[in-house]
Amino acid sequence: AQKITQTQPGMFVQEKEAVTLDCTYDTSDPSYGLFWYKQPSSGEMIFLIYQGSYDQQNATEGRYSLNFQKARKSANLVISASQLGDSAMYFCAMREAGSGGYQKVTFGIGTKLQVIP
Amino acid sequence: DVKVTQSSRYLVKRTGEKVFLECVQDMDHENMFWYRQDPGLGLRLIYFSYDVKMKEKGDIPEGYSVSREKKERFSLILESASTNQTSMYLCASSRGALNQPQHFGDGTRLSIL
Repeated sequence: AQKITQTQPGMFVQEKEAVTLDCTYDTSDPSYGLFWYKQPSSGEMIFLIYQGSYDQQNATEGRYSLNFQKARKSANLVISASQLGDSAMYFCAMREAGSGGYQKVTFGIGTKLQVIP
Repeated sequence: DVKVTQSSRYLVKRTGEKVFLECVQDMDHENMFWYRQDPGLGLRLIYFSYDVKMKEKGDIPEGYSVSREKKERFSLILESASTNQTSMYLCASSRGALNQPQHFGDGTRLSIL
């Protein structure tokens, strides 16, 4: 089974509008962390936001927020007031503690977001 | 700032060759990772390491091996390169806590002819 599922290969959003990028995950580990990364066309991976499995509140970082619904195993990224510079690939990732203490990090296939002027 | 350096940005090799991809990080991170990135498939974990000389298989370890003799360096080895290993390879490092993000190198675009 896929650990991380991103079902939107591509999305368009109008500049200044908000957009939600979907992510669902699958784990039996009670302790895990969820991350979102941005990859512009230049190729670098940029960390955006983190949510821990025990966190009570949804994470926020500037224009980014994470809509965490633990029972549904979803961790959607919300970008408010989209800007042209937000056009990029967005990846959801999960870090699991594991029985050995080591931490495996798996990624989804990504969503390509294009912001339209 | 954390720096993760991959030895080559572009690499062209022939089938059957033994290929080494090197990755060095300068922040004393415990964890290091190798991924390959292919269009439509996202990032797939090949191997990761949580300490010197320690390694764990990721989701697609076949045809690859790794070496971590020093904490700062994590090498990916293609024992006998094949054309289906043509890909972008990304190295990452992080601290060994659940909430720590990964820091990525610029990637190596490897072509096997």
